Amino acid sequence: QVQLQESGPGLVKPSGTLSLTCAVSGGSINSSNWWSWVRQPPGKGLEWIGEIYHSGSTNYNPSLKSRVTISVDKSKNQLSLKVTSVTAADTAVYYCASQQRTSSGWYSDYWGQGTLVTVSS
Amino acid sequence: EIVLTQSPATLSVSPGERATLSCRASQNVSSNLAWYQQKPGQAPRLLIYGASTRATGIPARFSGSGSGTEFTLTISSLQSEDFAVYYCQRFNNWPPMYTFGQGTKVEIK
Repeated sequence: QVQLQESGPGLVKPSGTLSLTCAVSGGSINSSNWWSWVRQPPGKGLEWIGEIYHSGSTNYNPSLKSRVTISVDKSKNQLSLKVTSVTAADTAVYYCASQQRTSSGWYSDYWGQGTLVTVSS
Repeated sequence: EIVLTQSPATLSVSPGERATLSCRASQNVSSNLAWYQQKPGQAPRLLIYGASTRATGIPARFSGSGSGTEFTLTISSLQSEDFAVYYCQRFNNWPPMYTFGQGTKVEIK
């Protein structure tokens, strides 16, 4: 069973860069899965940030695309997220998830436990 | 961009009763729709994919139906552990991105 673990600073200053990693265990990042990031501001709903395939192909939420970069490190079996020019609106719990694309449907089957990132001076 | 609208925002149900949650798409999305359950302080959990296929380990009291623009998640007999927020989700072909509904909170009546 795939397990995902997010890590990174819990506090980022406004205008700074948010950087998170997601370690994948129990499976290979080179598998047929896509890998995604989703965030959830306190008390609000889920917002999809973007996804990456091990080849490096990416898709991003158009509302965040100019500030977001998702990458993979195959040697470490992990993926990363960077969000630049952060503001208080970027305060959220950030989740990584594995994405399945099958003939039966496209969906996120495994999720990390999430990590809270607060943007504040 | 396809918009997913969930209703109601909050559903008050007594344990043992049936809960019916709706997810409406702004355009035809065939049957490529997933449902997730999220409890406070926890990550979302996949319940249903392909509109009607239960994910591994999901109890039979959860069922999904619908196609096109109207989808339903039904919990046949609510258990205490089912009180949570439920989200629908699907992938848009253009722009290529996933979209979530705004969620339905199922609370104890």
